[in-house]
Amino acid sequence: GAVVSQHPSWVICKSGTSVKIECRSLDFQATTMFWYRQFPKQSLMLMATSNEGSKATYEQGVEKDKFLINHASLTLSTLTVTSAHPEDSSFYICSANQGAWTEAFFGQGTRLTVV
Amino acid sequence: KNQVEQSPQSLIILEGKNCTLQCNYTVSPFSNLRWYKQDTGRGPVSLTIMTFSENTKSNGRYTATLDADTKQSSLHITASQLSDSASYICVVSLNNNDMRFGAGTRLTVKP
Repeated sequence: GAVVSQHPSWVICKSGTSVKIECRSLDFQATTMFWYRQFPKQSLMLMATSNEGSKATYEQGVEKDKFLINHASLTLSTLTVTSAHPEDSSFYICSANQGAWTEAFFGQGTRLTVV
Repeated sequence: KNQVEQSPQSLIILEGKNCTLQCNYTVSPFSNLRWYKQDTGRGPVSLTIMTFSENTKSNGRYTATLDADTKQSSLHITASQLSDSASYICVVSLNNNDMRFGAGTRLTVKP
């Protein structure tokens, strides 16, 4: 299957700082990328849908000014957690589709710990 | 209420044994149903994907079934191995490509 790479795989940051997570589709062009958050022993929760060249669509309850998403190219989307707080500590996962109604491939996830 | 319900929430089996995981869904309009395996601290990896017209699909020791009439799916794992220990997530996609995730079943295979 296609490969989606996330970077970094883990990060520790201080409260109040910003952290950028990258999601790359390595062998296909992803018109749509999705960002999820997963708390321990819970399922993935969709945060936002990112379409190349346009603004991301955020799920209800997700602050767009706090979780900045940029999908500047067909192979790269970034999620920036701004002014991070300890409660933002979580596992963040991206997925990418080559086109509508096609298979979704997931990145390996990023473990964010805010201290 | 979650539109994709998985059971059991967790399961412990001995190595070599078989097991079956269940997924019931209420989402519509249905497009496809996928089973993913998620190792701890990793992203989900696709096991099977089934459309409305497919009743069963196998991937090695994993066999998924789908009954679109009753909106039920199962994932059967044969001759379990220690490496099968993971969370198994059922994901139902709507026609607009919106995906709904089940909470997952945490499987532990013990020697």
